[in-house]
Amino acid sequence: KAGVTQTPRYLIKTRGQQVTLSCSPISGHRSVSWYQQTPGQGLQFLFEYFSETQRNKGNFPGRFSGRQFSNSRSEMNVSTLELGDSALYLCASSVTTGATGELFFGEGSRLTVL
Amino acid sequence: DAKTTQPPSMDCAEGRAANLPCNHSTISGNEYVYWYRQIHSQGPQYIIHGLKNNETNEMASLIITEDRKSSTLILPHATLRDTAVYYCIVRLHGANSKLTFGKGITLSVRP
Repeated sequence: KAGVTQTPRYLIKTRGQQVTLSCSPISGHRSVSWYQQTPGQGLQFLFEYFSETQRNKGNFPGRFSGRQFSNSRSEMNVSTLELGDSALYLCASSVTTGATGELFFGEGSRLTVL
Repeated sequence: DAKTTQPPSMDCAEGRAANLPCNHSTISGNEYVYWYRQIHSQGPQYIIHGLKNNETNEMASLIITEDRKSSTLILPHATLRDTAVYYCIVRLHGANSKLTFGKGITLSVRP
């Protein structure tokens, strides 16, 4: 079956702009989590959505937001982009929140802020 | 979630077993040990997880000490494609799906 799909794979923005990233989870998965990966901070948890509700949130400013739709697809938005937002943004899905077993990660969206 | 400690890097020869250690001395009784790996520029990939008993799947074996304060991931016959960053994560089931990644260990498999 199809894996986690993230779009776009690569994008370039300038400071002050906003960006929206999309994640389509594996069919049947209802939990979607987002992570930011940078060389300096490593992989950091952004937030998790389950049944269209945010279930958990990491330590990121309010410029980072997300949502989940009724078909479990999720989007995250970063407003007023800063240079430090340049990162690989990863989405992971699982059948349900807090479940045992693996989370399935997508290939990520690589954002460059100039 | 409990913190884990891993050495920054290690290497092994192709075809040999790779034994990746992890310390999690503050793990609580209901926290699981998970291993993920990340090959360059790809998303993390699940390898294995366990609670108390040793676990084995088609990718690896997980050995957890009796006191659960440390564990070892074993790749029985390492190949060049196993070169990656390996993350040992301690996770509580039930509350949410959050994974807390550390710096991981970089495994380099040499020909």
